[in-house]
Amino acid sequence: NAGVTQTPKFQVLKTGQSMTLQCAQDMNHEYMSWYRQDPGMGLRLIHYSVGAGITDQGEVPNGYNVSRSTTEDFPLRLLSAAPSQTSVYFCASSRDRGRDQPQHFGDGTRLSIL
Amino acid sequence: SQKIEQNSEALNIQEGKTATLTCNYTNYSPAYLQWYRQDPGRGPVFLLLIRENEKEKRKERLKVTFDTTLKQSLFHITASQPADSATYLCALDMDSSYKLIFGSGTRLLVRP
Repeated sequence: NAGVTQTPKFQVLKTGQSMTLQCAQDMNHEYMSWYRQDPGMGLRLIHYSVGAGITDQGEVPNGYNVSRSTTEDFPLRLLSAAPSQTSVYFCASSRDRGRDQPQHFGDGTRLSIL
Repeated sequence: SQKIEQNSEALNIQEGKTATLTCNYTNYSPAYLQWYRQDPGRGPVFLLLIRENEKEKRKERLKVTFDTTLKQSLFHITASQPADSATYLCALDMDSSYKLIFGSGTRLLVRP
């Protein structure tokens, strides 16, 4: 059972480039989310989805787009990369939208913007 | 504004002692509070969840308390081991908006 799989694990981009961070889960989870983790700031919620076709913004959505065309996949798109987006990005999923649901995390994508 | 605070300084303790980590929050009224463990280079791993009407929750050597009056949760690891060394994160649900908000974590170092 793979759980939550994130690709790539590492990426270096130049300012202005675009890219998509992939996230897939094989647990048939309804709820998926994206966080970024920066030193001293903890995990900050970027976007989340409560089911296929439904997405919403988190705390820090600017500069990022998401879509949820299937239950399994929840890609995160950087439209025009900026140095401030250098971070570690984590995707998470849970069984449903319940507030008592534990989150299952992937092992992250480490992104550097030059 | 809403805020979650965890001690940013690392907690350094001797093996066998009890580690106690603190999570304080302001301007929230969470119904649930969760604790996660994160190892270097890995994603967080869920440990325990406690509900607002529960004072205490235990799992093996782990114990969590939740005081909604003090707006504080304490996370205890008894008989700590070097393998318990990691960063521990608390997380709170934001009302009914399906958002889980995390603290910045506290690093625990257990010396042999």
